[in-house]
Amino acid sequence: GQNIDQPTEMTATEGAIVQINCTYQTSGFNGLFWYQQHAGEAPTFLSYNVLDGLEEKGRFSSFLSRSKGYSYLLLKELQMKDSASYLCAVDMDTGRRALTFGSGTRLQVQP
Amino acid sequence: DTGVSQDPRHKITKRGQNVTFRCDPISEHNRLYWYRQTLGQGPEFLTYFQNEAQLEKSRLLSDRFSAERPKGSFSTLEIQRTEQGDSAMYLCASSPLAGGPHEQFFGPGTRLTVL
Repeated sequence: GQNIDQPTEMTATEGAIVQINCTYQTSGFNGLFWYQQHAGEAPTFLSYNVLDGLEEKGRFSSFLSRSKGYSYLLLKELQMKDSASYLCAVDMDTGRRALTFGSGTRLQVQP
Repeated sequence: DTGVSQDPRHKITKRGQNVTFRCDPISEHNRLYWYRQTLGQGPEFLTYFQNEAQLEKSRLLSDRFSAERPKGSFSTLEIQRTEQGDSAMYLCASSPLAGGPHEQFFGPGTRLTVL
């Protein structure tokens, strides 16, 4: 079967750095996405990795190791508005490109 | 607003009733997806359209579910004889067909409550 695992919950302090890990075992791999989802809202795109290494975009960075089936999302200079769920998703199929999501990591940023 | 829109945003219905949801994707996007999301879980893929053709349906999509995209623009998702287990957020997403991998743009979702 397909497995995408993330921690259920994390807590961090405003201004700090937090790393959210994601491990995956899937039948195919065409890239890994990170989405942010605030409660009651739609997921919004954060990052995409298809090659090994680090992709940086402002305060957010995402890392991928395909050989280890591992990714992380790094959030720097945390702000209260970063409190949300962070979804790791794998594109397993070059054809339809539907995403297979993990259950999400609920991040609580505290003052 | 040029994003993905969905209607209605909320639907409360009684068990056994039929419901229909609408999704309007970003206008130049050929690909359209329906997902279902329950509390505390990530979205689960339901079905996929490329233009007007429904190319894939998940096993999650029982016979009570049907989706259409008649002109390759908006899409509808109908649930017949709703059950309490159908209560969830139904998300629509779209992406362009051409070019390299693209992120999917999600609509705000329709939250269904079956009483």
